[in-house]
Amino acid sequence: GAGVSQTPSNKVTEKGKYVELRCDPISGHTALYWYRQSLGQGPEFLIYFQGTGAADDSGLPNDRFFAVRPEGSVSTLKIQRTERGDSAVYLCASSPSNAGSPLHFGNGTRLTVT
Amino acid sequence: AQSVAQPEDQVNVAEGNPLTVKCTYSVSGNPYLFWYVQYPNRGLQFLLKYITGDNLVKGSYGFEAEFNKSQTSFHLKKPSALVSDSALYFCAVRDSGGYNKLIFGAGTRLAVHP
Repeated sequence: GAGVSQTPSNKVTEKGKYVELRCDPISGHTALYWYRQSLGQGPEFLIYFQGTGAADDSGLPNDRFFAVRPEGSVSTLKIQRTERGDSAVYLCASSPSNAGSPLHFGNGTRLTVT
Repeated sequence: AQSVAQPEDQVNVAEGNPLTVKCTYSVSGNPYLFWYVQYPNRGLQFLLKYITGDNLVKGSYGFEAEFNKSQTSFHLKKPSALVSDSALYFCAVRDSGGYNKLIFGAGTRLAVHP
């Protein structure tokens, strides 16, 4: 079946602009996660959704970052007033809610802020 | 807080030789441990997990991992390496928050030489 789909695959934007990154999870997966991966580092947790609600947003670095999942499926990560330090690969993952279920990752969106 | 450490930035091995990629963990309670692999410009792919049961866990592509509670380790192994195994490998532990949020290590680059 289809895996996790992330669009766009690459996004180049100018400093100060607003961007939206989209994630389409595996059908039926109630849990959705956003991670950020900088070059040479492991994925860093940003936010977790269970259904429509953000159950844990402790990883969002500041209030420029926001994410939604209005219908419990597709999610959008929104970044306002982008900074060069926001450049990274943004990974989305989904999973069933069963304890210990592995996360299934998309191929990520590479964001470059110039 | 839950954490994992991958002490090696890079592991080099000749094709056909056994490989080991190291991971140690620090958790409160019983650990849920995972290994993921990442190929260039791709998301993370699940390899295997340990939740409970046998200390030797078998996973995808001939990989296995050994859970050692006394040494708090979860090393990834393969009896005979392939050039196509060359990739980034991440160890991860489930966070203690009661859902499947994962905390990742910094990653180990495996290079298999012909």
